[in-house]
Amino acid sequence: DAKTTQPPSMDCAEGRAANLPCNHSTISGNEYVYWYRQIHSQGPQYIIHGLKNNETNEMASLIITEDRKSSTLILPHATLRDTAVYYCIVRVDVDSGYALNFGKGTSLLVTP
Amino acid sequence: DVKVTQSSRYLVKRTGEKVFLECVQDMDHENMFWYRQDPGLGLRLIYFSYDVKMKEKGDIPEGYSVSREKKERFSLILESASTNQTSMYLCASSSAPKGQFFGPGTRLTVL
Repeated sequence: DAKTTQPPSMDCAEGRAANLPCNHSTISGNEYVYWYRQIHSQGPQYIIHGLKNNETNEMASLIITEDRKSSTLILPHATLRDTAVYYCIVRVDVDSGYALNFGKGTSLLVTP
Repeated sequence: DVKVTQSSRYLVKRTGEKVFLECVQDMDHENMFWYRQDPGLGLRLIYFSYDVKMKEKGDIPEGYSVSREKKERFSLILESASTNQTSMYLCASSSAPKGQFFGPGTRLTVL
């Protein structure tokens, strides 16, 4: 699986957009970009995934650069409940049975 | 929405006890997984299953076994609990190419 690099921490004011970057410069053509988050003492939560095109769902938007070497997860109107550790994962097949390598992720703090 | 439920949020057991952790998913997913999460070590895969009665070892299967008699249910068994099995246990299910959906976790303490 391609290695990902994320900033260790970010702050965001409540109501503002939170933009979380992820670098994956060694990504292969058939690898997806997945985003998860983990709120303290809870199980990881799937947010969104994409291959080439930008994606949007009820939780977030995923912007993938044209060369696919980086992506940005956007939480359009962050709330206090969005405070969590966000993980960017790149892999071919999330169901391969191998462990998801969550790495260290970005700790997002949403402040009032 | 996908729902993955685990039988207990918190569990306290004694060394040597047999422990059963149950996981149920309601989305007819083929694949189910058991992880443990420890500070500084991230998520580590214990066992996974692609189908009923099928199981595969993950990275750290020692001391654990699993059972999948029905598609929606995946059980993790600690044959003889030890203190080093104190951890957060997380169950997940998935159906490609969507991501894995996790349960709330069971925090197990072995005394």
